[in-house]
Amino acid sequence: QKEVEQNSGPLSVPEGAIASLNCTYSDRVSQSFFWYRQYSGKSPELIMSIYSNGDKEDGRFTAQLNKASQYVSLLIRDSQPSDSATYLCAVNSHSGNTPLVFGKGTRLSVIA
Amino acid sequence: DAGVIQSPRHEVTEMGQEVTLRCKPISGHDYLFWYRQTMMRGLELLIYFNNNVPIDDSGMPEDRFSAKMPNASFSTLKIQPSEPRDSAVYFCASSFMGSGNTIYFGEGSWLTVV
Repeated sequence: QKEVEQNSGPLSVPEGAIASLNCTYSDRVSQSFFWYRQYSGKSPELIMSIYSNGDKEDGRFTAQLNKASQYVSLLIRDSQPSDSATYLCAVNSHSGNTPLVFGKGTRLSVIA
Repeated sequence: DAGVIQSPRHEVTEMGQEVTLRCKPISGHDYLFWYRQTMMRGLELLIYFNNNVPIDDSGMPEDRFSAKMPNASFSTLKIQPSEPRDSAVYFCASSFMGSGNTIYFGEGSWLTVV
């Protein structure tokens, strides 16, 4: 059974701080890793994808992958109240379009 | 560019009634996924199709659930008979080979069974 684990939160950070969201996965052969953001009452939207060990930066967001430790993280710099949402980590195991397995999400609250 | 389109957006129905949820994937996408989201269980994959063919339906909870994809631009998820524990948000999502496994979600169908 493939599992993706996230701390449910809520994670509260002050505006302007760095928010750090973490995710572990159980399937060692996992190759593709994603972070989705979901606002309350809305559908998940893709923020970042990462496929190789190391860091990937996109604006205020940085995804970090460590396959040896089976660990993925998302850093949000200069957090804004508009970043308050649930962040879902998703993993798939093979190349090609196999379905994503999602964690239950971490709720982030950015306090103004 | 139209995204994944789902209908109805909201449905309230009585226990025992048939529920049909509909989905139109993004044009050109050859994979279609049905997910269900609840507070307790998060996002769970129910079934997915590739080129209109069901590939894996192991996530379908019971025989009361069925899904079809008669053509590349339309899919249905049917629950018959519905039960209160089926209350959830049902998301349809699509992707295409070469998208690096990125999937795109519809707005969801919010189902309440009373």
